[in-house]
Amino acid sequence: GQQLNQSPQSMFIQEGEDVSMNCTSSSIFNTWLWYKQEPGEGPVLLIALYKAGELTSNGRLTAQFGITRKDSFLNISASIPSDAGIYFCAGQMGAQKLVFGQGTRLTINP
Amino acid sequence: ETGVTQSPTHLIKTRGQQVTLRCSSQSGHNTVSWYQQALGQGPQFIFQYYREEENGRGNFPPRFSGLQFPNYSSELNVNALELDDSALYLCASSLRSLRDIQYFGAGTRLSVL
Repeated sequence: GQQLNQSPQSMFIQEGEDVSMNCTSSSIFNTWLWYKQEPGEGPVLLIALYKAGELTSNGRLTAQFGITRKDSFLNISASIPSDAGIYFCAGQMGAQKLVFGQGTRLTINP
Repeated sequence: ETGVTQSPTHLIKTRGQQVTLRCSSQSGHNTVSWYQQALGQGPQFIFQYYREEENGRGNFPPRFSGLQFPNYSSELNVNALELDDSALYLCASSLRSLRDIQYFGAGTRLSVL
């Protein structure tokens, strides 16, 4: 099935470091979303982006909707142990299906 | 806590059997989407139900079918189970609107032996 290209696939960082991950697509989307998933749980929404060029923050998380509508990035500043988990980007056209990336697994060493 | 509940949490079936998974939407939501998440992968869209009608389907065979009830809860049925059907099945509910945010349940882990 269709998937977005998400990178990196995994990251191992020290507590306090900043993190950056991104997502690209061959198709345009009207909405970009970033979810986090922890073991035994479903994805939890972190940030939703609705307009090309939009930059949105949620605490230490910042995400941007690319100008071409085909990409997005997520930054996490000053990482803490509870930031560990799998991060997924997702693109959406209207009230339709979400198309997900393959995920970025973030591991944080205290 | 998204208010989306799925049951059962885990299920073990054998090849060829049939399975029904259930989902209760968040209060006030009228749309339910189902996704299959294989190990190490992102979720893949199966289908969506809006006001009890199928409203979009992903690349899954007809043995994957669904229902949505008047209270907007939903079922996913899979017939003739195959080994590759082993996955986490996620349900997401949303309120159909210009900004249609989907909220996920914790999923049902299906193992097919």
